[in-house]
Amino acid sequence: AQSVAQPEDQVNVAEGNPLTVKCTYSVSGNPYLFWYVQYPNRGLQFLLKYITGDNLVKGSYGFEAEFNKSQTSFHLKKPSALVSDSALYFCAVRAQPGAGSYQLTFGKGTKLSVIP
Amino acid sequence: GAVVSQHPSRVICKSGTSVKIECRSLDFQATTMFWYRQFPKKSLMLMATSNEGSKATYEQGVEKDKFLINHASLTLSTLTVTSAHPEDSSFYICSAILPRIGETGGGGRGKNIQYFGAGTRLSVL
Repeated sequence: AQSVAQPEDQVNVAEGNPLTVKCTYSVSGNPYLFWYVQYPNRGLQFLLKYITGDNLVKGSYGFEAEFNKSQTSFHLKKPSALVSDSALYFCAVRAQPGAGSYQLTFGKGTKLSVIP
Repeated sequence: GAVVSQHPSRVICKSGTSVKIECRSLDFQATTMFWYRQFPKKSLMLMATSNEGSKATYEQGVEKDKFLINHASLTLSTLTVTSAHPEDSSFYICSAILPRIGETGGGGRGKNIQYFGAGTRLSVL
């Protein structure tokens, strides 16, 4: 069974400072990894994904994430946080094709608050 | 722009009534759609996988007679909450998978990505 852990319920960061939202995963075989962002009372918006290739993945709104296979991590980062980045962030994983399922397993979410 | 449209965004109903939520893929054909439920301050819980032209696959613990799913066309899946009760109040979100290479639609958007609707806030009085 696949699983995702987001160890922090909340992350607070000052505007302009770098931010990191942590994610570790467990899956059989090679993973597909995703980050989504959710604003209040809205659905999820796709930020970025890791499928294969470079371990550093760049996504929307200046976010990036680094895939670390040895640490089974996929932390989300941004060099300079904006107040508008304040939202709920979800990490998700699924096994690569061949496992017979497109189902995503989500972490519990991390609330990011960027303080002006 | 949005690739998955979900309607309504909010619904308030009386206990015992049924509520239908629609999920549409806007410019691609989605053979597979997913329905999730999200509780306050909680992650998304997958309820069921909706497959066009066949019965939905429900996750363990989800009552299929309570949450009826119909995926009658390649662009529309519906979730009907039957005889709703206050404990059914929640945020329901659908998603669709962009088709793989060779399948229809999707334009230049990323493959293997689940795109989500904006969600439906259901409140049962």
